[in-house]
Amino acid sequence: AQKITQTQPGMFVQEKEAVTLDCTYDTSDQSYGLFWYKQPSSGEMIFLIYQGSYDEQNATEGRYSLNFQKARKSANLVISASQLGDSAMYFCAMLDSNYQLIWGAGTKLIIKP
Amino acid sequence: EPEVTQTPSHQVTQMGQEVILRCVPISNHLYFYWYRQILGQKVEFLVSFYNNEISEKSEIFDDQFSVERPDGSNFTLKIRSTKLEDSAMYFCASSAGRVGETQYFGPGTRLLVL
Repeated sequence: AQKITQTQPGMFVQEKEAVTLDCTYDTSDQSYGLFWYKQPSSGEMIFLIYQGSYDEQNATEGRYSLNFQKARKSANLVISASQLGDSAMYFCAMLDSNYQLIWGAGTKLIIKP
Repeated sequence: EPEVTQTPSHQVTQMGQEVILRCVPISNHLYFYWYRQILGQKVEFLVSFYNNEISEKSEIFDDQFSVERPDGSNFTLKIRSTKLEDSAMYFCASSAGRVGETQYFGPGTRLLVL
């Protein structure tokens, strides 16, 4: 069965430092997609970045990049130059063979000034 | 930038009452989804909808749930007889396609069943 694992329930990072949020996945599908979403305290779910399983290059979107290691089944999110506004829950999710998003438990990131 | 909208933002209801959660997906999107997130827990898939019918549904989506696209813009989730355990944040999402397409989420409706 498909599964997403986020092993860091919470992280504290100093402002302006880079941060890596871990995500590993388990699937037997050859084709899949991996997503990262941000959920601020206000509750909305904000799309950050997408990586397709056949994409050879790591996805990047501004300060967000995805460190995709297919053989290790990991898709870590890297936020460069963290800002106070980055404090939020971060969810890794995978689009499974039924086109449903399977979600990890999330990582609560707190940026310290 | 187009976005998914949801109404109401918050709803409080008595157990056993019916609720309808409303969503307006992004206008050129064809696939629509409902997810829920019980406080402090993972986001869970409920249902996907395409071409005016349900494509996939999870075990959570039992007979008390239904979805509808009553007109060209709205996409609704109805819970017929709410239970305490239905209290959660309900997210609507839409995507242009299925394979490799990003699902864009609405701001959510926070449902509290008393």
